[in-house]
Amino acid sequence: EVQLLESGGGLVQPGGSLRLSCAASGFTFSTYAMSWVRQAPGKGLEWVSAISANGGTTPYADSVKIRFTISRDNSKNTLYLQMNSLRVEDTAVYYCAKKAGTTPYFDSWGQGTLVTVSS
Amino acid sequence: EIVLTQSPGTLSLSPGERATLSCRASQSVSSSYLAWYQQKPGQAPRVLIYGASSRATGIPDRFSGSGSGTDFTLTISRLEPEDFAVYYCQQYGSSPLYTFGQGTKLEIK
Repeated sequence: EVQLLESGGGLVQPGGSLRLSCAASGFTFSTYAMSWVRQAPGKGLEWVSAISANGGTTPYADSVKIRFTISRDNSKNTLYLQMNSLRVEDTAVYYCAKKAGTTPYFDSWGQGTLVTVSS
Repeated sequence: EIVLTQSPGTLSLSPGERATLSCRASQSVSSSYLAWYQQKPGQAPRVLIYGASSRATGIPDRFSGSGSGTDFTLTISRLEPEDFAVYYCQQYGSSPLYTFGQGTKLEIK
């Protein structure tokens, strides 16, 4: 069974930093692209960033470009999101999501971790 | 950037009725790149339909997807109590890589 477990969320002041982690199990992590998707309170879904299976390709949404960095450690089956220069509008539940092989949709999601940016 | 517009914003129906949800793209989208998700309160989304019309594993056959080009539809043939949720369409593109519609809330009438 695929399991994705996010951690690292919390309360941070504007301008601060936070690193999210997503521990994966139940599948061969190193062979799948992964993404981070966020959802502001009461709002819809917004794709944040993706990373290819080998980590060589890392596209970002314009809203987080330069401020956020996605990475992965295939030896630890873990996905990361380093978030710097956080803004109030980055407040959201952050989900890690597994891409379904070569087909571009997300077949598994974590339960999410809440990031609150507030002074 | 391709924008996905879902309608209606809220759909009020009774169990047993048929639900038709629309997703319109600002530019043509490959059918292979269109998916639908269901999200219940406090839960992560789960995929229902991918490739515009293929049901994901474990999804009941009362859920079906159709469409091409700029117009896509999710149909729930006979609503069950557990189907009342928010539904999102999603497309895969170039920049941004993935975009979601704003969602349709399906509520009990």
